[in-house]
Amino acid sequence: DGGITQSPKYLFRKEGQNVTLSCEQNLNHDAMYWYRQDPGQGLRLIYYSQIVNDFQKGDIAEGYSVSREKKESFPLTVTSAQKNPTAFYLCASRDTFYNEQFFGPGTRLTVL
Amino acid sequence: SQELEQSPQSLIVQEGKNLTINCTSSKTLYGLYWYKQKYGEGLIFLMMLQKGGEEKSHEKITAKLDEKKQQSSLHITASQPSHAGIYLCGADETGFQKLVFGTGTRLLVSP
Repeated sequence: DGGITQSPKYLFRKEGQNVTLSCEQNLNHDAMYWYRQDPGQGLRLIYYSQIVNDFQKGDIAEGYSVSREKKESFPLTVTSAQKNPTAFYLCASRDTFYNEQFFGPGTRLTVL
Repeated sequence: SQELEQSPQSLIVQEGKNLTINCTSSKTLYGLYWYKQKYGEGLIFLMMLQKGGEEKSHEKITAKLDEKKQQSSLHITASQPSHAGIYLCGADETGFQKLVFGTGTRLLVSP
């Protein structure tokens, strides 16, 4: 089955630790995105990548880093510099022909 | 960046009734996306609209984009409990699909 997978579904970390969230897609999409969702707010864009080995900052990139070494993978690292890391993180990829953007199931990160 | 306003914020309808959710932008949109989300889960793609005046339907859900491409509506006909969830609109402001989202409309369908 084609789709986007995110792991783990739930993640707990101590304050001050870096943590990496996984996002994998087998849809052969060039573009991938990371969003953050907080209660009562819409999704906000953290980073996006239009193609392998290239990525751009979104609206709230501070405290986050990404890499795009493979087309299928777009991991997000939440660093200790992120002041409020507890949130629901969603990864997405885009079908460039139809311009449809599909989302993964999300990872809920809780920093204790 | 552009802001999207969704209304209403929440909605309770009786099963079988019709409902409409609105999404309004302050700018002309390159594309308007509708998603559905169950609490704690990812977003399910419903429809995307790009052309002014465009209308798309899937099963009992119809989405429209106005001619000015600044307002969209999502209409559900004969609502069912399976329609319950959070409906989010997202707008493409640059053409690169860096989507800006509304805060969502929480729909409950009562039996």
